[in-house]
Amino acid sequence: KQEVTQIPAALSVPEGENLVLNCSFTDSAIYNLQWFRQDPGKGLTSLLLIQSSQREQTSGRLNASLDKSSGRSTLYIAASQPGDSATYLCAVNQAGTALIFGKGTTLSVSS
Amino acid sequence: DAGVIQSPRHEVTEMGQEVTLRCKPISGHNSLFWYRQTMMRGLELLIYFNNNVPIDDSGMPEDRFSAKMPNASFSTLKIQPSEPRDSAVYFCASTWGQRNTIYFGEGSWLTVV
Repeated sequence: KQEVTQIPAALSVPEGENLVLNCSFTDSAIYNLQWFRQDPGKGLTSLLLIQSSQREQTSGRLNASLDKSSGRSTLYIAASQPGDSATYLCAVNQAGTALIFGKGTTLSVSS
Repeated sequence: DAGVIQSPRHEVTEMGQEVTLRCKPISGHNSLFWYRQTMMRGLELLIYFNNNVPIDDSGMPEDRFSAKMPNASFSTLKIQPSEPRDSAVYFCASTWGQRNTIYFGEGSWLTVV
């Protein structure tokens, strides 16, 4: 059974720092991996989707990488801003089921 | 497009009452998902539909929970009778195909007292 783990559970950084969020999964037979952002009291917003054949995806200050063989993905946030404060979740998509989520990393960026 | 629309946004009900949550997926999407989110367990899949047919309902906690999708533009999740441990945020999401981005609604915040 697929399990998705995100470490750390919470992270606090000062504004301007570059940071990395980690996601690991136990079964490498995936279609893709997605990173989401969730603000308090809100739904999930998709940030990046990496297909299993891809190694990374970039959107603005965000870069997500995927190493399927080792079951790992990272989300890199460059020059963090207070507006980046949110919970970031990763989820894997595989045959026969819906997205399986990690429990998220709650990021706090202080000004 | 208006995105995935859920109602009600917030509901407070008494234990034993019936609760019905509603979802309108994005037009053209053929897969719909119901998730439940709690602090302790995170996001858990309850059930998902493909082309209006339930594919995986193994996450539905017990017989008190039921979900329907009578057509491509509407789904309901019903809890009867409700219990305090059902208090959570219930999300509906939709997508097209198996490998595309999934879009979430804003959630229904349920409190059972």
